[in-house]
Amino acid sequence: GAVVSQHPSRVICKSGTSVKIECRSLDFQATTMFWYRQFPKQSLMLMATSNEGSKATYEQGVEKDKFLINHASLTLSTLTVTSAHPEDSSFYICSARRSGNEQYFGPGTRLTVT
Amino acid sequence: AQSVTQPDIHITVSEGASLELRCNYSYGATPYLFWYVQSPGQGLQLLLKYFSGDTLVQGIKGFEAEFKRSQSSFNLRKPSVHWSDAAEYFCAVTGNGNKLVFGAGTILRVKS
Repeated sequence: GAVVSQHPSRVICKSGTSVKIECRSLDFQATTMFWYRQFPKQSLMLMATSNEGSKATYEQGVEKDKFLINHASLTLSTLTVTSAHPEDSSFYICSARRSGNEQYFGPGTRLTVT
Repeated sequence: AQSVTQPDIHITVSEGASLELRCNYSYGATPYLFWYVQSPGQGLQLLLKYFSGDTLVQGIKGFEAEFKRSQSSFNLRKPSVHWSDAAEYFCAVTGNGNKLVFGAGTILRVKS
């Protein structure tokens, strides 16, 4: 149990376009979902925390108007990178927490902006 | 604020040799500690976790870790490394219901 999926696994987009990444908890309801960003050879940095039905809480330095997060249900959260630029190219990973302190991670989405 | 230090960026061990990956944390209260493994281009897989109780915790794939409060450490160990263990390992800490903070990661290379 506790499987988290992400879609797409890889996406290439042109500069100036928007990209949506989905994160789903497949076999449990997630009270909270998290979005992380990982640059090559670096650790994961938390971007934002989202709770179902409420606005996401963004970490310092993360532009909320650029990285739109929607947590419409207990099994789905989406991250939209708006007006993407090459510097937004990164590995985006989501996680979901159902209760307690353990997070279950998705397989990640590789975004490349050309 | 909590923080995690993994002092070793890279470690190389021979297949069959023992392994210890170091992790030190900083947190004002009782921490919840985790070790994750990440293969290239993949998400994170939980190896083990410590919440409370026995300070020596067993995880998957033959890994174990020991929580030492006096040293603020949570080192990961494996008695005999397999080539398939080559990956990047992340130590992480959280408080009750708070966000996870990750260390910088240690890349493990296994030589045959």
